[in-house]
Amino acid sequence: GAVVSQHPSWVICKSGTSVKIECRSLDFQATTMFWYRQFPKQSLMLMATSNEGSKATYEQGVEKDKFLINHASLTLSTLTVTSAHPEDSSFYICSGMAGGAYEQYFGPGTRLTVT
Amino acid sequence: SQQGEEDPQALSIQEGENATMNCSYKTSINNLQWYRQNSGRGLVHLILIRSNEREKHSGRLRVTLDTSKKSSSLLITASRAADTASYFCATVYSGANNLFFGTGTRLTVIP
Repeated sequence: GAVVSQHPSWVICKSGTSVKIECRSLDFQATTMFWYRQFPKQSLMLMATSNEGSKATYEQGVEKDKFLINHASLTLSTLTVTSAHPEDSSFYICSGMAGGAYEQYFGPGTRLTVT
Repeated sequence: SQQGEEDPQALSIQEGENATMNCSYKTSINNLQWYRQNSGRGLVHLILIRSNEREKHSGRLRVTLDTSKKSSSLLITASRAADTASYFCATVYSGANNLFFGTGTRLTVIP
């Protein structure tokens, strides 16, 4: 199947700093990328949907100024958590979808810990 | 919330037994997908069933879909210890391409 990578796989940062997470589709062109957030022992919650070259569409309750999403190419999307706080600590997962298909390919996730 | 619900929340069985997980959702769908997640890892796509399909098989997996009841089930036959993971259903609603995940079932297969 198609491969999606995320970097870093884990990161620890101090409160108030910003963290950037990269999501890359390695062997396919992801016209749409999704960002999810997952708290321990809970399900994935969709944060935003981004189409290459367009502004991301954020789900209700997700602050777009706090979670900056850029999808500048068909193989790369980034999520920047700005002014991070301990409550932002979570597991962030991205996925990519090729045009015309419904199947999403998920990255391995990034565990963010804000101290 | 468009999140679906799964039951049971947790399931513990002996190796060799079958495991059945159920998923219910809320509105008309284009398709429903099942994913597996090992602890602290990304998701692995297992199977996709379209709204006009009623049953689908893939290896030891069998998925059913009942659109009149807005429900789906995942059956894993002859379970193995390596099947221990969390299983999520996810729906793609009509007219959208977003995935909305169910609450998940944590399966433990005891060797």
